[in-house]
Amino acid sequence: EAQVTQNPRYLITVTGKKLTVTCSQNMNHEYMSWYRQDPGLGLRQIYYSMNVEVTDKGDVPEGYKVSRKEKRNFPLILESPSPNQTSLYFCASSLSLGYGYTFGSGTRLTVV
Amino acid sequence: GQNIDQPTEMTATEGAIVQINCTYQTSGFNGLFWYQQHAGEAPTFLSYNVLDGLEEKGRFSSFLSRSKGYSYLLLKELQMKDSASYLCAFDSGGYQKVTFGTGTKLQVIP
Repeated sequence: EAQVTQNPRYLITVTGKKLTVTCSQNMNHEYMSWYRQDPGLGLRQIYYSMNVEVTDKGDVPEGYKVSRKEKRNFPLILESPSPNQTSLYFCASSLSLGYGYTFGSGTRLTVV
Repeated sequence: GQNIDQPTEMTATEGAIVQINCTYQTSGFNGLFWYQQHAGEAPTFLSYNVLDGLEEKGRFSSFLSRSKGYSYLLLKELQMKDSASYLCAFDSGGYQKVTFGTGTKLQVIP
């Protein structure tokens, strides 16, 4: 089944404890992206990647890192999480813009 | 700067037609997306308009006017399962930088 898989689905962590949210797609898509979704603010792009080793900042990149060492994987790294990073995170991939994104199921992160 | 506006909430009756509007401002523009998001779920792709005009896909149609910075999503023969948020988004030209609006929550009532 063609899909984008994110893990974990739910995570509660403490301020400052480094964490990684994994994202993997099995559709051989070149384009991948991370979004966070907050009430009243909608989906905001954190980082995106056009291909292996090619990434760029979205609208809200502060406090996040990404890497794209393999085509299928695009992990999101929070080096020192803070409470304002409490959010619902979505990973997405696409073959090309016209086909739209396929989104993962989301990761609900709480930083206390 | 970049901005997208869409109504926060709408209510419509089962079997009716509803139009969800979206206006945008951006210096670079390639195309306009519509996504559907049910509560607690991930968004799913509905449509992508690059050219002016109306594109129809079954019960859903999407319209774009590039000169006016305006789009709408038209849902016909509404069903209860159409209750969801509808997200408007544009891409700024290449490189997958896609900006979303805050979404319109549609409630379909019997």
